[in-house]
Parts: sequence; structure tokens; C-alpha cells
Amino acid sequence: AQTVTQSQPEMSVQEAETVTLSCTYDTSENNYYLFWYKQPPSRQMILVIRQEAYKQQNATENRFSVNFQKAAKSFSLKISDSQLGDTAMYFCAFIPNFGNEKLTFGTGTRLTIIP
Amino acid sequence: DAGVTQSPTHLIKTRGQQVTLRCSPKSGHDTVSWYQQALGQGPQFIFQYYEEEERQRGNFPDRFSGHQFPNYSSELNVNALLLGDSALYLCASSFNWGASLAFFGQGTRLTVV
Repeated sequence: AQTVTQSQPEMSVQEAETVTLSCTYDTSENNYYLFWYKQPPSRQMILVIRQEAYKQQNATENRFSVNFQKAAKSFSLKISDSQLGDTAMYFCAFIPNFGNEKLTFGTGTRLTIIP
Repeated sequence: DAGVTQSPTHLIKTRGQQVTLRCSPKSGHDTVSWYQQALGQGPQFIFQYYEEEERQRGNFPDRFSGHQFPNYSSELNVNALLLGDSALYLCASSFNWGASLAFFGQGTRLTVV
């Protein structure tokens, strides 16, 4: 079974600091996709960053970057220079292979940026 | 571009009733997926529709059914509502085989009393 585990239910950090959210997953597939989604109070799930398993280089999107450790099945999200607008629920998610359209989500981490 | 739109935003139903939720995909998208997000949990995949047919289904009972129309919009129907069906229902749209680049709507909050 494909599973995604987020072990940090809540985190908080001072504005402008750096924070890292953790995610581990379990799969026997090789060509899978990993994601971090942000869900603010508006409820809309917003894609933050996406990583293809076959790519060794870690994905980066402006202040957001990932540390993808394929052997350890670990996929952490680093937010640099955190901003008040980063306050939200963050979900790690996974698609096992191309052609499987089901996103499997973790239980989320509630991140609060403190002014 | 209006993005993915869902209606209604909130809904209250009585146990045993039936409910229909609606989703209009982002312009150019032809595939619609539905997710259930219980309070404090991550979304759970219900099913996906493409070319007006259910293509993939998660672990949900037959009380959950759907439909896709020729304009790619979609409905989620839930029969014989249970208290446990109370959740945020999210719709996601994408190009065909493009779930890795899906866009989500803001969801419908369903409360069953």
C-alpha cells in the first residue's frame, strides 16, 4: 500500500526565519511523483512544489525547496525567509506512477508564521 | 481564467437525504477528480471522470456516484447520507493523464445533521 506520513502536526516559526517540514512515504514504485500542497483558510489546495522521482536534482520554487532522499523515502520542504502569508496547512502528497491519477495525501502540518 | 469552481460553498443536509455537488473545471481541462477531506485529515480520493466515464475509483461505497457532462463539468452525488459524510469535498481538474498538475477548487463544506 502507498502511504504518506507527516509526523509534525503543528509547527511555528518567526517571520523571516527558515522552517523545514518533514514527510516520509512508502512505495515499491520507481517513477513516482511527490508534491507539497498548501491549504490556507480559503480551503483551496495550492500546489507549492513538485518532484519527479527519476530526477536527482531537488526541486526549487523561489523560497521553497525540497530535500528528496529517494533511498530513505524522505521528502522534506524547506521554506526560507518565511512570510505571514505562508501560514497554512501543508500536505505532502504522492502519485505512484504515470497513469495512476490518484493523489495520496498525508495528514498535514499546520504551520504558523509569527510576526 | 476562472479556475476550478465548485458549488455550493456550504451545504447542510439531514441524515438519510441525498446531495449533489457541482464542479466546473479550469478552462482547457477535460478530467475531473473528487476528494473528500474530513476535519483534520488529508484529502481522500473518491473517483476521477474522463470522457464522461469513471476511470479510477478510491475506497468509497456505491453511495458515492458521479457524472461528467460533455462540457467536462462534473457532479458528485451522495445517497443515504451518514453523519460521517460530513466533510469538505474538493474537486480537482487536469488535462488527460495530468493529475500531477491538477488544479483544485475551494471545495464544498457538507454538514450532515
